[in-house]
Amino acid sequence: RKEVEQDPGPFNVPEGATVAFNCTYSNSASQSFFWYRQDCRKEPKLLMSVYSSGNEDGRFTAQLNRASQYISLLIRDSKLSDSATYLCVVNPYSGNTPLVFGKGTRLSVIA
Amino acid sequence: NAGVTQTPKFQVLKTGQSMTLQCAQDMNHEYMSWYRQDPGMGLRLIHYSVGAGITDQGEVPNGYNVSRSTTEDFPLRLLSAAPSQTSVYFCASSYHPGGGGELFFGEGSRLTVL
Repeated sequence: RKEVEQDPGPFNVPEGATVAFNCTYSNSASQSFFWYRQDCRKEPKLLMSVYSSGNEDGRFTAQLNRASQYISLLIRDSKLSDSATYLCVVNPYSGNTPLVFGKGTRLSVIA
Repeated sequence: NAGVTQTPKFQVLKTGQSMTLQCAQDMNHEYMSWYRQDPGMGLRLIHYSVGAGITDQGEVPNGYNVSRSTTEDFPLRLLSAAPSQTSVYFCASSYHPGGGGELFFGEGSRLTVL
């Protein structure tokens, strides 16, 4: 089982729709969780961290389920500008170990 | 705000040639890393460094060398380029490797090996 797995998509949704992505991770000792966003032919950028209690940033909500070892990202009221690839990122260990990236889920918001 | 600067942005090599991708950051980050990104494969870690003088291998280190003589610079060397190394390369840095802070990426270097 890969350390971080995501549905590659693409998810094609109309403007205004609500869309949710899930990501599973294999190491139950994983410490930190993030969602990064990558626009076409650009570098990844941090979208939001994922906290144990769940967290919200405007139209974006991130949830962590440690028991089932998955994190989710919910986007409400989708905008055309939300079209991008969303990368699930996990620190599978503690200390000086690098982050592990999922392969990404591609979202296209259609007018 | 320069952040993470990668050069060159584009490069075409012939099989067997060597080259160095440069990466510099001006944020005084201890952690620096190199990833390659290929269609359908996601970001794969090549090498990383947790501080000057310290480097370690990532998931796909073969064919690449790195060194970290200063906090600011982390060059990636291709020793003898192969077509399988055609990819987009990203350098990234942060205060901590494991998610203690945001990972900042350079704009990427697109390499084609013929």
